[in-house]
Amino acid sequence: EAGVAQSPRYKIIEKRQSVAFWCNPISGHATLYWYQQILGQGPKLLIQFQNNGVVDDSQLPKDRFSAERLKGVDSTLKIQPAKLEDSAVYLCASSQARGAQETQYFGPGTRLLVL
Amino acid sequence: GDSVTQMEGPVTLSEEAFLTINCTYTATGYPSLFWYVQYPGEGLQLLLKATKADDKGSNKGFEATYRKETTSFHLEKGSVQVSDSAVYFCALSGSGNQFYFGTGTSLTVIP
Repeated sequence: EAGVAQSPRYKIIEKRQSVAFWCNPISGHATLYWYQQILGQGPKLLIQFQNNGVVDDSQLPKDRFSAERLKGVDSTLKIQPAKLEDSAVYLCASSQARGAQETQYFGPGTRLLVL
Repeated sequence: GDSVTQMEGPVTLSEEAFLTINCTYTATGYPSLFWYVQYPGEGLQLLLKATKADDKGSNKGFEATYRKETTSFHLEKGSVQVSDSAVYFCALSGSGNQFYFGTGTSLTVIP
């Protein structure tokens, strides 16, 4: 079974530029998550989708971050404009369904450096 | 709100030593508890999980028991190997279906 795919793996941009990350979840997984992992910290949830609807985006900085999941499969996370403090690894995860017992499966992440 | 507090690292052990990484949690309701591992250069992988009180999760020689009375889910392994060197994250999934991760504990095992 293929895992969660993410691209690009690395991205370097200057502040105030825009950037987009792509995620393809495990086939059949209805729930998709985006996390931000700053160096030395645990992942922090940014947004959660159930199929193509947003379930939780309470920690997404909506003035600069946006995400969509068209057709309930692939997802894109965008930052516009980027700030220095956005330097982090952006992780995508998916699970079969919502529920406290569901295991989340993580992609390899996209490492973003903002100069 | 829900949260996880994890033992700070880094932890350095000799091969075949006993490992304990402490994790305590705060949650309303009945969360599920997880340990994830991140090997150098790789993504997060599920190591083990427990979904109700007194459950024991186990995998690759690692174990953790869901203790509701002490709100803990400590990770243990009887004999660590060099290949266990990684960062370990404790996490919970609560009634709001949101995952909360600890800050991670870096483990280095030396031959």
